[in-house]
Amino acid sequence: AQSVTQLDSHVSVSEGTPVLLRCNYSSSYSPSLFWYVQHPNKGLQLLLKYTSAATLVKGINGFEAEFKKSETSFHLTKPSAHMSDAAEYFCVVSDLPLTGGGNKLTFGTGTQLKVEL
Amino acid sequence: EAQVTQNPRYLITVTGKKLTVTCSQNMNHEYMSWYRQDPGLGLRQIYYSMNVEVTDKGDVPEGYKVSRKEKRNFPLILESPSPNQTSLYFCASSTYKRGQLNTEAFFGQGTRLTVV
Repeated sequence: AQSVTQLDSHVSVSEGTPVLLRCNYSSSYSPSLFWYVQHPNKGLQLLLKYTSAATLVKGINGFEAEFKKSETSFHLTKPSAHMSDAAEYFCVVSDLPLTGGGNKLTFGTGTQLKVEL
Repeated sequence: EAQVTQNPRYLITVTGKKLTVTCSQNMNHEYMSWYRQDPGLGLRQIYYSMNVEVTDKGDVPEGYKVSRKEKRNFPLILESPSPNQTSLYFCASSTYKRGQLNTEAFFGQGTRLTVV
C-alpha cells in the first residue's frame, strides 16, 4: 500500500528566502513521486516528477526535489521564494499495484505556502 | 493543445436531483480517474478506468457512478446527490501500460459542486 505524509500543513516564508516543503512516502516498491501545485481557484499543475532516473529532480519555476530512498523522503525546495509561489502544494506517490489496475495517485493532504514581503 | 476538459466548472444543485459532470481528454490516454478534494484531506480517488468499458472503484466511491463508453470521455454521475458530496472534483488522465510506473497525470480545471 502506498501513502504520503506532508509534514507541514502551512509554511510561511519571506520573499527571497529559501523554501522547504517536506514529504515522506510509503510504498511497497520503487514508486513514482510527484509534486503538484494548485494556485487559488485553479487546477493542478505538475511541478516536477521522479520516475527512477536521477535522484535530484529539477522542475519548473526554480523548484527541485531530492529522492532519498533511505529516508523515504521527497522534499521540495527552492532557493529564493517569490510572491507568485504562494499556493497549495501536493506531494503525490504512484506505485505498481499488487494486483490489477495501475496509475493510482495517492495525494498528501497538502501544504499551504504563504510568501510575505 | 493537450488538455482535460471538465464541465461545468461550477454547479449548485438540490439534494436528490441527478447530475452528471463531464470529462473529456484529447491525448488518447487509456487511464482516467475522478478525484474529490476536501480541505485537509487532499485529493481522494473516487473511480478510475483503465480503458473503454473497464472501470473500478477508488477509495471513496459511495454515491457515485461512472461510465467509459469512449476512450476520450469519462463522465461522473451522481444519481441522488447529498450535501456531503459538496466538494471540488477533478478529472485526470494518463497513459497506462501494465507493469510500468505512472509518468504523469493531466488534470482538468475542476468542478466546484454545492449540494443544498
